[in-house]
Amino acid sequence: EADIYQTPRYLVIGTGKKITLECSQTMGHDKMYWYQQDPGMELHLIHYSYGVNSTEKGDLSSESTVSRIRTEHFPLTLESARPSHTSQYLCASSDPGGLGNTIYFGEGSWLTVV
Amino acid sequence: AQRVTQPEKLLSVFKGAPVELKCNYSYSGSPELFWYVQYSRQRLQLLLRHISRESIKGFTADLNKGETSFHLKKPFAQEEDSAMYYCALSRTGYSTLTFGKGTMLLVSP
Repeated sequence: EADIYQTPRYLVIGTGKKITLECSQTMGHDKMYWYQQDPGMELHLIHYSYGVNSTEKGDLSSESTVSRIRTEHFPLTLESARPSHTSQYLCASSDPGGLGNTIYFGEGSWLTVV
Repeated sequence: AQRVTQPEKLLSVFKGAPVELKCNYSYSGSPELFWYVQYSRQRLQLLLRHISRESIKGFTADLNKGETSFHLKKPFAQEEDSAMYYCALSRTGYSTLTFGKGTMLLVSP
């Protein structure tokens, strides 16, 4: 089934650890995104990619990095996690359909850094 | 820079009452406007977009460029409409979205 998958859904890790949030989509979309959302706040774009080997930083500065080696895979990495990184991270992809851009979201990864 | 404002964090109505979720934006170009919805325990999903001029689940939204608004309306709210609603803007030629802070709609029986 065409979908967008995020793992892990929930993660609690200690300060200083390296973590990678996985995101894969089986919808054949070229464009993928990472949004960060703190509880009760708006979603902020932190990274996006328009295709393989293309990555750009979003509106909100983030210490995370991303890679896009395969069309379907867009992982996000934090080299050294800190409590300020505690947040929900939402992966998304989009299909530039005829009536404008539609973005599809994954279920999100809740990260808690202690 | 573009901005999306949703002035209400929570909107509580009774079943059958009309609903209007407010959204205002600031952007110097011609934006594309969207409403996204997140039901309890579900992922964020597209509800409707101004370019298609459609009605989804009884909801409509009209882009008012003069007032820079894109309010979401439904004449008779249902309990299943209870959810978090986000207004979002896409700049001309870009696919990335700028979101508002969201409005929680609570429909009571």
